Amino acid sequence: EAGVTQSPTHLIKTRGQQATLRCSPISGHTSVYWYQQALGLGLQFLLWYDEGEERNRGNFPPRFSGRQFPNYSSELNVNALELEDSALYLCASSLSGWEAKDGYTFGSGTRLTVV
Amino acid sequence: GESVGLHLPTLSVQEGDNSIINCAYSNSASDYFIWYKQESGKGPQFIIDIRSNMDKRQGQRVTVLLNKTVKHLSLQIAATQPGDSAVYFCAEGVSSGYSTLTFGKGTMLLVSP
Repeated sequence: EAGVTQSPTHLIKTRGQQATLRCSPISGHTSVYWYQQALGLGLQFLLWYDEGEERNRGNFPPRFSGRQFPNYSSELNVNALELEDSALYLCASSLSGWEAKDGYTFGSGTRLTVV
Repeated sequence: GESVGLHLPTLSVQEGDNSIINCAYSNSASDYFIWYKQESGKGPQFIIDIRSNMDKRQGQRVTVLLNKTVKHLSLQIAATQPGDSAVYFCAEGVSSGYSTLTFGKGTMLLVSP
């Protein structure tokens, strides 16, 4: 069974540009979560999508947005990129709602570098 | 010993030692806790979970202890191996409403042969 897949693995953008990151959850999982992990720091919650709806949002500015498609895959968009947006962006999936067996399953992340 | 690195606290142990990684959680309403392991270049991997109606749970070579009185969680790894070298995160959550897991800052475990 394929795990959570994220693309691209690495992304380099210029300050002010937009970045689009993609995530495919494990088959059967309907919830997708996005986390930001700045270098050497913990995971900061960004967004949670379930059944196509945004369920919860972390303390990030509106230029961080996303959506979930009918096949439960998800996209994270970051507009007007700033240097401090450079981080590893992790996607995770679970059965509907997070309290599922084994918690979340994470992908390997997209490393976004803003120059 | 344990020290504060550039960003993460670091625990350095010798192969074969037992390791204890500690975590203080913040929300007294949290009733579900998970430990994750993150190796370099990979996403976090589930290790073990515990619910608030328990104070101890054991897995293969790992034990999680929960002390709700002082909001403290620990992960014990028996007979630590070089392959255990990674960053370990605790996560807490509330099993109601539209809440998500909140992660701690992590501890780096370095195992020397």
